[in-house]
Amino acid sequence: GAVVSQHPSRVICKSGTSVKIECRSLDFQATTMFWYRQFPKQSLMLMATSNEGSKATYEQGVEKDKFLINHASLTLSTLTVTSAHPEDSSFYICSARWTGGVESSYNEQFFGPGTRLTVL
Amino acid sequence: QKEVEQNSGPLSVPEGAIASLNCTYSDRVSQSFFWYRQYSGKSPELIMSIYSNGDKEDGRFTAQLNKASQYVSLLIRDSQPSDSATYLCAFLRGKLIFGQGTELSVKP
Repeated sequence: GAVVSQHPSRVICKSGTSVKIECRSLDFQATTMFWYRQFPKQSLMLMATSNEGSKATYEQGVEKDKFLINHASLTLSTLTVTSAHPEDSSFYICSARWTGGVESSYNEQFFGPGTRLTVL
Repeated sequence: QKEVEQNSGPLSVPEGAIASLNCTYSDRVSQSFFWYRQYSGKSPELIMSIYSNGDKEDGRFTAQLNKASQYVSLLIRDSQPSDSATYLCAFLRGKLIFGQGTELSVKP
């Protein structure tokens, strides 16, 4: 399968600071990337859909001014958690959709390894 | 009614047995269905995609899709302890719609 990387894998920050997480598709171009959040023992929650060159689409209840998403190229999307607070501590996972290739793999979506954010 | 329903787990099988994971979905339009595996503390990993009615095999994994019944399943043959994880079923409707997951435990 295709490879998606995330950086950093783990970050600890003080309350009130901003944190940027990078998501890269390493061996394919992704016009669409997705950002998820997962709390312990809970399901994945889609936060936003990121399209290259346009504004992200946020899910209901997700504050777009708090979670800034930029998808500046076909291989890079970033999520910035602004003025982070302890309740933002979570596992953030990006995903990229493969829209090329053969029919047997069309629309497959690959996940990055995730970023564990702890806000003190 | 949830859009994607999976077996309530946990599902426990002995090593070497066949594990059967089931999923029903409500959407009649979607053409793309996926199974992901998620180990505890890790991100989901795509293990199967299926688009047509019938079976699709990949190694020890077989996905089965029945669009008329709105049903997709995953069979894991010769289950290994390393298969112990949560399995997520999903279909595509603009974005992935996930089930709640089924936790599988393979006992040595």
